[in-house]
Amino acid sequence: SQKIEQNSEALNIQEGKTATLTCNYTNYSPAYLQWYRQDPGRGPVFLLLIRENEKEKRKERLKVTFDTTLKQSLFHITASQPADSATYLCALASGGENAGNMLTFGGGTRLMVKP
Amino acid sequence: NAGVMQNPRHLVRRRGQEARLRCSPMKGHSHVYWYRQLPEEGLKFMVYLQKENIIDESGMPKERFSAEFPKEGPSILRIQQVVRGDSAAYFCASSPRVDRDASPLHFGNGTRLTVT
Repeated sequence: SQKIEQNSEALNIQEGKTATLTCNYTNYSPAYLQWYRQDPGRGPVFLLLIRENEKEKRKERLKVTFDTTLKQSLFHITASQPADSATYLCALASGGENAGNMLTFGGGTRLMVKP
Repeated sequence: NAGVMQNPRHLVRRRGQEARLRCSPMKGHSHVYWYRQLPEEGLKFMVYLQKENIIDESGMPKERFSAEFPKEGPSILRIQQVVRGDSAAYFCASSPRVDRDASPLHFGNGTRLTVT
């Protein structure tokens, strides 16, 4: 069966360091992968999308890599700040002819950046 | 530009009552997706709708749950005869179109349903 796995344990890092979050998937052949941020009591907010033919994507302090051989995406936040503390979700297209932009989400990893 | 609007933000129902959750997608968006999030768990897909059509309801329980997206007005997720296990946050998302460029989903801030 299809699975998307993210580290369920919270990641605690010091302000200024680089945070690296992992997303592994099985039994998918995704055309793209997306990352979202979710704050408590709020809906997820889209951050970045990376396609299967892209190895790396950057946006300001964010960097995403996508390795279709390893079936893994890494999400990096450089020069992390306390305001980056949130839960980060990776998502894959569910696939299928009528799937639209329907996404399947991983369980998310909570990031805590300490000042 | 207004984002995805969900109401109510909080809904309390007694067991056996009906819950109606509303979602107005972003302007210009014709695709709506409903997700459920249980405490400390990830988002689980429930149903995907376009105007007047249910495209995929594979994640929605067969009984007591229904969804619609009429030609006019918001999308409605309806839960009949609620049970305590229905307590969760229900999120609605919308996208403008379906294409290979994979438009990201725009989420509302959810409706938190509590069944007492």
